[in-house]
Amino acid sequence: KAGVTQTPRYLIKTRGQQVTLSCSPISGHRSVSWYQQTPGQGLQFLFEYFSETQRNKGNFPGRFSGRQFSNSRSEMNVSTLELGDSALYLCASSLEGTGTDNSPLHFGNGTRLTVT
Amino acid sequence: AQSVTQPDIHITVSEGASLELRCNYSYGATPYLFWYVQSPGQGLQLLLKYFSGDTLVQGIKGFEAEFKRSQSSFNLRKPSVHWSDAAEYFCAIRRNTPLVFGKGTRLSVIA
Repeated sequence: KAGVTQTPRYLIKTRGQQVTLSCSPISGHRSVSWYQQTPGQGLQFLFEYFSETQRNKGNFPGRFSGRQFSNSRSEMNVSTLELGDSALYLCASSLEGTGTDNSPLHFGNGTRLTVT
Repeated sequence: AQSVTQPDIHITVSEGASLELRCNYSYGATPYLFWYVQSPGQGLQLLLKYFSGDTLVQGIKGFEAEFKRSQSSFNLRKPSVHWSDAAEYFCAIRRNTPLVFGKGTRLSVIA
């Protein structure tokens, strides 16, 4: 079974631009979560989607948004990029997600975003 | 609010030596507990998990972890470290919430 796939692996953007990252979950998984990883802040939760609905949201500004499609694939978008948005963005999938599921999250290899 | 503390930022061990990585959590009840490993440039791979039952859990790559409720700890152990174990290790918890991670412990292995 294929794992979680994230595209692209690397991105370089300029301040003020916007970016869209893509995530394909493991087949059969209906929940997708996004995390931001930086050296200073570590792994921080962005949001979780389940059946095309946002179930949880972390403490990030409105510039960060996401969505999930009917096939469970997910995208996250960051508008008006700032230098501090440079990070590794990780997507994870699980069968049912937070609150109803004790199965673990399976992570992709991430998208490395650099903002210059 | 729930939190996870990994007191050791960086640990260096000799190949073949034993390893223990510490993890303490703060939560009102017993959460689900996880250990993940991250190699450079990669995502996170699940090593093991604890939900309930036997407090000593076995994982992949020869790792094990012991849940101690009285100490709110979930320490990761390995009896004999291999050079390929060099990576960053994250302890995480969740229970009806998104996964909350510790800051990680970077493991270096020397010959």
